[in-house]
Amino acid sequence: GENVEQHPSTLSVQEGDSAVIKCTYSDSASNYFPWYKQELGKRPQLIIDIRSNVGEKKDQRIAVTLNKTAKHFSLHITETQPEDSAVYFCAALRASGTYKYIFGTGTRLKVLA
Amino acid sequence: KAGVTQTPRYLIKTRGQQVTLSCSPISGHRSVSWYQQTPGQGLQFLFEYFSETQRNKGNFPGRFSGRQFSNSRSEMNVSTLELGDSALYLCASRADRASDTQYFGPGTRLTVL
Repeated sequence: GENVEQHPSTLSVQEGDSAVIKCTYSDSASNYFPWYKQELGKRPQLIIDIRSNVGEKKDQRIAVTLNKTAKHFSLHITETQPEDSAVYFCAALRASGTYKYIFGTGTRLKVLA
Repeated sequence: KAGVTQTPRYLIKTRGQQVTLSCSPISGHRSVSWYQQTPGQGLQFLFEYFSETQRNKGNFPGRFSGRQFSNSRSEMNVSTLELGDSALYLCASRADRASDTQYFGPGTRLTVL
């Protein structure tokens, strides 16, 4: 069935370093890939997204890259700050047929001051 | 526009009882999805409603059910509550099934004693 694998499950980085979270999807009909950040006790919030006709997208310190051939997409956070500490979820949307959103299992990022 | 709202925000029930949770999507959004999130766990998909019809369903027992009204508001019901049903229940809305961006509500935290 459709699934999204997300790695690593936990990630600790020193403040100022970069963090990379990777996802692999199985459904080749997926064409939209959002990333959500969930701080403790709060709702998941969309932080960046990418569509299948784009290879890379940046928004200040965060960027997402997509390799459609390999069915990989990654979140890159540069110059990490303590407030980046949260759980990050990737997702893939099949925008035809079932129109199903499939979420990855999440990555707990800890930025050490 | 107001965001996705959920009521109640917190709920305490005992085993064997039933519970109904409510979700009001962003105005104009017609697709509503429900997720269960247990501590340290990811987002487990329950079901998706669009135009008052269930369109997708996750792997949950029949004790979990939902419905959607003509104004797109949605409710989910859990009957015969078990201790393991204690979780944060999140709903998310998007404009329609072919729309990509999905926004989450704040969640209802259900505790089963």
